Amino acid sequence: GQQLNQSPQSMFIQEGEDVSMNCTSSSIFNTWLWYKQDPGEGPVLLIALYKAGELTSNGRLTAQFGITRKDSFLNISASIPSDVGIYFCAGHGSGGSNYKLTFGKGTLLTVNP
Amino acid sequence: NAGVTQTPKFQVLKTGQSMTLQCAQDMNHEYMSWYRQDPGMGLRLIHYSVGAGITDQGEVPNGYNVSRSTTEDFPLRLLSAAPSQTSVYFCASSLTPTYGYTFGSGTRLTVV
Repeated sequence: GQQLNQSPQSMFIQEGEDVSMNCTSSSIFNTWLWYKQDPGEGPVLLIALYKAGELTSNGRLTAQFGITRKDSFLNISASIPSDVGIYFCAGHGSGGSNYKLTFGKGTLLTVNP
Repeated sequence: NAGVTQTPKFQVLKTGQSMTLQCAQDMNHEYMSWYRQDPGMGLRLIHYSVGAGITDQGEVPNGYNVSRSTTEDFPLRLLSAAPSQTSVYFCASSLTPTYGYTFGSGTRLTVV
């Protein structure tokens, strides 16, 4: 089946540092989504991207839809302790399936105050 | 709106027992899905539904059944629990999947 390769698997950073993570796929997607999961909770949508080359921001978060439609990255600037959690990328619309999201395995972010 | 509500939040089962994980949404979403989350494995799709009366299998359907008799409810049934089904289960719903899914807060299941 389809796979998303998300990296890095985990990151340990100091408060105030910038963070970058990315997702790559062997398949083309029509939509890229980034979710955050806080401990003990379900994933929450952060950013959605719909067009190749699109760059979208949500506060300190910036995400881009790769030009090849096979990749996406997420940047977090000036990290704070509440940024701790698991970040997932997800792709939608590959292979004609209109229902399914394919998820990466997640990036675990730890922020040291 | 309550969003996506999952019950119970925690459950311990003995091997061979059956149970139903409940999921309800009040957003009139047609699309609903069940995922399981295991360490290092991300979110894997178990079953999904594109509307009342319509369900289909995802990536890891074995040992699970679903039904969708109403738009609001999408229960997940474990037929005969096995230790390999120890996991965190998430239900999610969407009006239009291209805009993403809304997730419940999960059910943490342990099978001993």
